[in-house]
Amino acid sequence: QKEVEQDPGPLSVPEGAIVSLNCTYSNSAFQYFMWYRQYSRKGPELLMYTYSSGNKEDGRFTAQVDKSSKYISLFIRDSQPSDSATYLCAMSAKERYSTLTFGKGTMLLVSP
Amino acid sequence: GAGVSQTPSNKVTEKGKYVELRCDPISGHTALYWYRQSLGQGPEFLIYFQGTGAADDSGLPNDRFFAVRPEGSVSTLKIQRTERGDSAVYLCASSIDEENTGELFFGEGSRLTVL
Repeated sequence: QKEVEQDPGPLSVPEGAIVSLNCTYSNSAFQYFMWYRQYSRKGPELLMYTYSSGNKEDGRFTAQVDKSSKYISLFIRDSQPSDSATYLCAMSAKERYSTLTFGKGTMLLVSP
Repeated sequence: GAGVSQTPSNKVTEKGKYVELRCDPISGHTALYWYRQSLGQGPEFLIYFQGTGAADDSGLPNDRFFAVRPEGSVSTLKIQRTERGDSAVYLCASSIDEENTGELFFGEGSRLTVL
């Protein structure tokens, strides 16, 4: 079992839909949780960053962390065609907070 | 520069050859990271520099891989005796310091193809 599991998709939705992306993990030492967005042939860019459990909202994006279930989510409201990309979850442990463990990424396609 | 710069953007080489990949981090960023992303996978950690020294090289797959950062800025990832399995996108990232957990700024990567 990999440390971080993420459904690769693709996930296809119409413009305006609410999108839910998820990751599960097995390492209970993970305390820092991130979502990165990666466009084709580009480097990942940080979308959301959360420490420990709880919710965080930034515009159309909401990140949730449930450490008891080892489950994290990213919600995108009013999805736009420009949101079409691969979304990578990433996490790190307190002792090695500078090194991230990534999921495989979920490809999202938002059609106009 | 404005962002993390990586050269070359594409490199095609033959099995057994030596390859160097260069990363120029964001000015003022003291922490620098190398990750490798294979097709359909997320990035995998290779090595992390804080200043000139490798603070964590636990992700380097074997002794054919080596990285340096002699002046605490530009870094070079060196791969000896390349194998077809080394084909991947090599991503470099930097952050302002080691306390800036998770907020890495990535370059566009160097796409390595080993024939």
